[in-house]
Amino acid sequence: EVQLVQSGAEVKKPGESLKISCKGSGYSFTSYWIGWVRQMPGKGLEWMGIMYPEDSDTRYSPSFEGRVTISADKSTNTAYLQWSSLKASDTAMYYCVTDSGSYQFDSWGQGTLVTVSS
Amino acid sequence: QSALTQPASVSASPGQSITISCTGSSTDIGGYDYVSWYQQHPGKVPKLLIYSVTHRPSGVSNRFSASKSGNTASLTISGLQTEDGADYFCSSYSSGTTLFVFGPGTKVTVL
Repeated sequence: EVQLVQSGAEVKKPGESLKISCKGSGYSFTSYWIGWVRQMPGKGLEWMGIMYPEDSDTRYSPSFEGRVTISADKSTNTAYLQWSSLKASDTAMYYCVTDSGSYQFDSWGQGTLVTVSS
Repeated sequence: QSALTQPASVSASPGQSITISCTGSSTDIGGYDYVSWYQQHPGKVPKLLIYSVTHRPSGVSNRFSASKSGNTASLTISGLQTEDGADYFCSSYSSGTTLFVFGPGTKVTVL
């Protein structure tokens, strides 16, 4: 069974950096695309980007390119989402997701709530 | 603003059937058979309901079915049950500026 376990909730100030994680298990980590989906409070789902850990091929939504960085560590089966300078508007729940190859999000992590407030 | 459009809300009584539409364009829904649907209960993690337009993952009730015609995909819930009250999001692969697009979500209320 595919499991994605994300790091815990974060409270940060504007301008701070942040890296959240998502550890995959129960499948071959390098064989599935792994990505991130944002859900702002009370709002819908937004696709941020996705990476193929085998070769680090990474695609970003234009809405998020340059604002976040997606990476992965094959040795620990862990994907990351990072910001270099957070804004209040980054306050949201962030889900990591897998795509086994048919352009759907098969499995979801439990979510990481990021709160950015001065 | 979402690239896909969905009705904001749909409501019906238990036992009835509802259909949620999801309209896109030729660069997403109309161009590829990669439409998926997700169910999200309040405060919970989204769950994959349908993939590749019509396919249900193992464990998803056969009360959920889906189809596509042109640029519009549809999700039908038959024999509506109280636990079906949730938000439903459609998604599609896109050859446009972004690889994936989501709809804004439809809130289903079981009266």
